[in-house]
Amino acid sequence: DSGVTQTPKHLITATGQRVTLRCSPRSGDLSVYWYQQSLDQGLQFLIQYYNGEERAKGNILERFSAQQFPDLHSELNLSSLELGDSALYFCASSMTVTGELFFGEGSRLTVL
Amino acid sequence: GIQVEQSPPDLILQEGANSTLRCNFSDSVNNLQWFHQNPWGQLINLFYIPSGTKQNGRLSATTVATERYSLLYISSSQTTDSGVYFCAVAGTYKYIFGTGTRLKVLA
Repeated sequence: DSGVTQTPKHLITATGQRVTLRCSPRSGDLSVYWYQQSLDQGLQFLIQYYNGEERAKGNILERFSAQQFPDLHSELNLSSLELGDSALYFCASSMTVTGELFFGEGSRLTVL
Repeated sequence: GIQVEQSPPDLILQEGANSTLRCNFSDSVNNLQWFHQNPWGQLINLFYIPSGTKQNGRLSATTVATERYSLLYISSSQTTDSGVYFCAVAGTYKYIFGTGTRLKVLA
């Protein structure tokens, strides 16, 4: 158990819908990262927060947004979902901006 | 941005064999980690190794930061070692992942 909690673990929804993925970092970690992994692909960096502030942005679509709250948990919002958004979405946390990274178990999103 | 290349892309081993996985990166980095993604999709931390050598049981890793590469050694491989091995390097603000080495260990 890495200490990073992601919910939900599985989610099935339809095209055009909106979903919210939630992440609670390890106790004491200030930095949260979001990654997307499509089927049999590598991990694509989406966005990073440190202590509530956005620090780095990757190839995150405009239909996607995220935030980190004062209690340090983070949410990733995916809207106007398309079939191609089906993927495993990982959250990771670290104590510092580029400290050792620990991953949650991921949220598997299926868009039908 | 930083480019991360891993080799080989695929590897099939007989149980008990040894292997070396390589990670090359294009620029100086602050940190480097190795992960194992098991068949259930979980990402397991193997090594946090910005430089030097570390060992953990049958696994060891070496990073030569000045030459921009890292090696992961797996000795006496077991079927439970199957999965994908990722190298991730940290620049100023983010970790970039390589495309991984897919390992299959046959009984």
